[in-house]
Amino acid sequence: GQSLEQPSEVTAVEGAIVQINCTYQTSGFYGLSWYQQHDGGAPTFLSYNALDGLEETGRFSSFLSRSDSYGYLLLQELQMKDSASYFCAVGSNDYKLSFGAGTTVTVRA
Amino acid sequence: GAGVSQSPSNKVTEKGKDVELRCDPISGHTALYWYRQRLGQGLEFLIYFQGNSAPDKSGLPSDRFSAERTGESVSTLTIQRTQQEDSAVYLCASSLEVEGTSPLHFGNGTRLTVT
Repeated sequence: GQSLEQPSEVTAVEGAIVQINCTYQTSGFYGLSWYQQHDGGAPTFLSYNALDGLEETGRFSSFLSRSDSYGYLLLQELQMKDSASYFCAVGSNDYKLSFGAGTTVTVRA
Repeated sequence: GAGVSQSPSNKVTEKGKDVELRCDPISGHTALYWYRQRLGQGLEFLIYFQGNSAPDKSGLPSDRFSAERTGESVSTLTIQRTQQEDSAVYLCASSLEVEGTSPLHFGNGTRLTVT
């Protein structure tokens, strides 16, 4: 089976940088994804890493180290609208996409 | 040309009743997934479909849960003899293919409350 660990909560001020770490255990690792979910809303896709390294998409970047079974999501220039839950998800070769418990990010003025 | 549509958006049912949840995926998406999310928690994988086939049903919590997909389109998740522990948001997602490179597009979910 798969297991993922990520911090439960992070609080930061507007304009700050937040890093959400994710460690995982899985067999047949395929890739690591990140999803954002606002309160009461549907999760939305943010990024995907299959290979080691950093992927940058605007203010958000995602990193993967396959050898360390570790990745992170970096949120830069935090805005109030970034207050949400962030989930890492690991894909494996059995095609199940397993999600972590989520990190609640609270942005303060 | 909308996104993933789920119905009903809310369902309140009495313990012991059966419920049926519906998911209309994005047209052309081969893969379809069902997840359960309890309040304040992560997404619990239930089942996925590749086309109309569900290769692995081991994520379904009990034999009261079943799911089917027809026409490589609509999927229904059925819960028989509902229990209070079944109360949660049931999320459906679709993607172009089952491989991890295709992002999942989620519906807004069905909030199920069992009284």
